[in-house]
Amino acid sequence: AQKVTQAQTEISVVEKEDVTLDCVYETRDTTYYLFWYKQPPSGELVFLIRRNSFDEQNEISGRYSWNFQKSTSSFNFTITASQVVDSAVYFCALSVPTGNQFYFGTGTSLTVIP
Amino acid sequence: KAGVTQTPRYLIKTRGQQVTLSCSPISGHRSVSWYQQTPGQGLQFLFEYFSETQRNKGNFPGRFSGRQFSNSRSEMNVSTLELGDSALYLCASSFRGRLTDTQYFGPGTRLTVL
Repeated sequence: AQKVTQAQTEISVVEKEDVTLDCVYETRDTTYYLFWYKQPPSGELVFLIRRNSFDEQNEISGRYSWNFQKSTSSFNFTITASQVVDSAVYFCALSVPTGNQFYFGTGTSLTVIP
Repeated sequence: KAGVTQTPRYLIKTRGQQVTLSCSPISGHRSVSWYQQTPGQGLQFLFEYFSETQRNKGNFPGRFSGRQFSNSRSEMNVSTLELGDSALYLCASSFRGRLTDTQYFGPGTRLTVL
């Protein structure tokens, strides 16, 4: 069975602080994809990044960076120098070859305080 | 390219009624998935359609049904509404719905059942 765990339900940081959102996944498939989505108050899930199970290289995109570690089944997301516009709910998701569906974590609600 | 569109954005119904939600995928995308999002259960997969065929279904009662048209637009129907059906219903589209595809989400339809 597939499972995604986001243990942090809510996080509050002061603007300009760095923050890391944790994601731990479970799957027996050796080929899979991991995703991060951002859900602002408007409700739409915005795609941030996709990673396949064979690529453990960390990725940086502006203030965002992702750390993928198969050894710990984690795919953590760091926002550097957070801004108020980063306030949203962030979801980690897993896709496996069978099922044609995404398995989502419960989300982490991030509040950036000005 | 236009994103995923969903109509209506908001809906209020009473128990026992039925409702139909509509989703237009990104042009060229042939896979459409539906998710239910509630505070208690998070994001749960309803079903996925590809080329007018339902390929996968989540663990929801038969009151939840869907279909896909030849132009890839999809509709979701909920019959005999219950209070617990109040949720944000999100539609996502992808090119083929395969493992390597990213799902892009619409803004959702917020359904309130009174």
